[in-house]
Amino acid sequence: SAVISQKPSRDICQRGTSLTIQCQVDSQVTMMFWYRQQPGQSLTLIATANQGSEATYESGFVIDKFPISRPNLTFSTLTVSNMSPEDSSIYLCSVGSGSSYNEQFFGPGTRLTVL
Amino acid sequence: AQSVTQLGSHVSVSEGALVLLRCNYSSSVPPYLFWYVQYPNQGLQLLLKYTSAATLVKGINGFEAEFKKSETSFHLTKPSAHMSDAAEYFCAVSETGGFKTIFGAGTRLFVKA
Repeated sequence: SAVISQKPSRDICQRGTSLTIQCQVDSQVTMMFWYRQQPGQSLTLIATANQGSEATYESGFVIDKFPISRPNLTFSTLTVSNMSPEDSSIYLCSVGSGSSYNEQFFGPGTRLTVL
Repeated sequence: AQSVTQLGSHVSVSEGALVLLRCNYSSSVPPYLFWYVQYPNQGLQLLLKYTSAATLVKGINGFEAEFKKSETSFHLTKPSAHMSDAAEYFCAVSETGGFKTIFGAGTRLFVKA
């Protein structure tokens, strides 16, 4: 299993600003995922991030709003740009494991509140 | 398209009672199925997974789940609830050979003393 840390653990931001969330893994991994968990909701996949290639975004999510970097096999960042109160959520990164990378290990999440 | 339906957004049991959390899936191909648990202010933790080996899958913390193809179900059970089991539980599905995982809406388990 992988140990995953996220920074910051929580933040309160003003609308119109941007926040970059960091995800650090204690081992080299191929696939990393970013999810959004809105209050009282399930997880929604934002994008899949493979090292050395552009992130693949799910329907409803765009790179201008959620730019992702994956500079190496242990680190990724997600930026939430031009924030609005609707962006208030928990943002989770995970890494894929198993033969199909669908067994996932999650970070503790970043709780974002936008005022 | 794949989907997961969890029956009951909230389930309340007494300590020592049976825990049953229901999950039904829809998939056009043999699926991989998962149960994850989320404790307050934490990320998700894998409880158990089904990958077509055995239909009865045992996981951590005394939980188990049975894959029933005829019912397209993957219900989670635990014979005797403990106060520490109080958490949010998510059922999830992905296609065999695929990495994209679809999560259910979640079921919050309350355990009464």
